[in-house]
Amino acid sequence: NAGVTQTPKFQVLKTGQSMTLQCAQDMNHEYMSWYRQDPGMGLRLIHYSVGAGITDQGEVPNGYNVSRSTTEDFPLRLLSAAPSQTSVYFCASSQRTLSYGYTFGSGTRLTVV
Amino acid sequence: DAKTTQPPSMDCAEGRAANLPCNHSTISGNEYVYWYRQIHSQGPQYIIHGLKNNETNEMASLIITEDRKSSTLILPHATLRDTAVYYCIVRGTNAGGTSYGKLTFGQGTILTVHP
Repeated sequence: NAGVTQTPKFQVLKTGQSMTLQCAQDMNHEYMSWYRQDPGMGLRLIHYSVGAGITDQGEVPNGYNVSRSTTEDFPLRLLSAAPSQTSVYFCASSQRTLSYGYTFGSGTRLTVV
Repeated sequence: DAKTTQPPSMDCAEGRAANLPCNHSTISGNEYVYWYRQIHSQGPQYIIHGLKNNETNEMASLIITEDRKSSTLILPHATLRDTAVYYCIVRGTNAGGTSYGKLTFGQGTILTVHP
């Protein structure tokens, strides 16, 4: 099925561990983004990409790395997990035009203990 | 991107029209108005967008004032399943760089549809 696929859906990490949240889309979208949403809060932009090889920082980039080697994939890396990174993470993608909306994945629920 | 202002919460009776306002007084000429909603803890869902003309799709209608400083999202016959947080977002290309790829969310309006 076409859409944005995020894996894993749930993850528990210990403080200091590293991990990569995966995001893949099969719609040939050039724009992709990562957001985090803390309980009772709105979505905050972490990093985004406007095409393969092009990434930029959002509102809350510290503690996260991204790369975009292919159009389809946009992984988010946590280098050294901290309890403050406990959140729900959403990935989204869009066509390269303002005339369409973003499609969001179902989210990854991350707990750092 | 232009900042938007929305009421924090609204109520609507089931079957009635829900009219959600949004102010974006600093919007620029090439910036679009987008509406998304987020039901419970799901990923946000795109609803509709417009530049200056009113727009309608199977989900909603978008009314943009002539000066483009405000807009209203209309859900014509609200159902209990429309209870969600609704986000009004302005997005365009005027800031330069890669900003045309950014979609920045505000706090949104919590719409509660009651029986």
